[in-house]
Amino acid sequence: EAGVAQSPRYKIIEKRQSVAFWCNPISGHATLYWYQQILGQGPKLLIQFQNNGVVDDSQLPKDRFSAERLKGVDSTLKIQPAKLEDSAVYLCASRFTGTGGYEQYFGPGTRLTVT
Amino acid sequence: DAKTTQPNSMESNEEEPVHLPCNHSTISGTDYIHWYRQLPSQGPEYVIHGLTSNVNNRMASLAIAEDRKSSTLILHRATLRDAAVYYCILRAGGTSYGKLTFGQGTILTVHP
Repeated sequence: EAGVAQSPRYKIIEKRQSVAFWCNPISGHATLYWYQQILGQGPKLLIQFQNNGVVDDSQLPKDRFSAERLKGVDSTLKIQPAKLEDSAVYLCASRFTGTGGYEQYFGPGTRLTVT
Repeated sequence: DAKTTQPNSMESNEEEPVHLPCNHSTISGTDYIHWYRQLPSQGPEYVIHGLTSNVNNRMASLAIAEDRKSSTLILHRATLRDAAVYYCILRAGGTSYGKLTFGQGTILTVHP
């Protein structure tokens, strides 16, 4: 079974530039999550999708961050404009939403450096 | 979200058992106890979860206190590959869509 795919793996941008991250979840997983992990901290949930609908985006800085999952499969997370404090690893995870679907599967993450 | 408290770091020797504690005194009756771990430069991976009874799987065992205010993740024979950050997380039951709130976790160092 293929895992959660993310790209790019690394990205370096200057502040005020924009950046986008892509996630392809495990086939059949209706729930998709984006997390931000700052160095030395645990992951923080930014947004959660159920199919193509947003379930929770309470911690997403909506003035600069946006995310979509148009067809209920792939998802993109965008930052525009980026700030220095956005330097972090951005993790995507997915979960099967049926019986026994308790486990979140994480991708390898995208490491963003804002200079 | 109910909070968990874990030691910042622990050390173990290879092939010895490791007991990772977690306190969750404000746990509610419908909260599940989940453990994830994060190896260096990787995303977190699921280890084990439980509600009230002790649980075993191929990776670890989870011992849950009778009052559910604490739990312990047990690695029966630590290997160098088990060196990671271990997160104890309470997941609300019901329609939370599996939301996980990560804390700081415990950094486990395994010595050869």
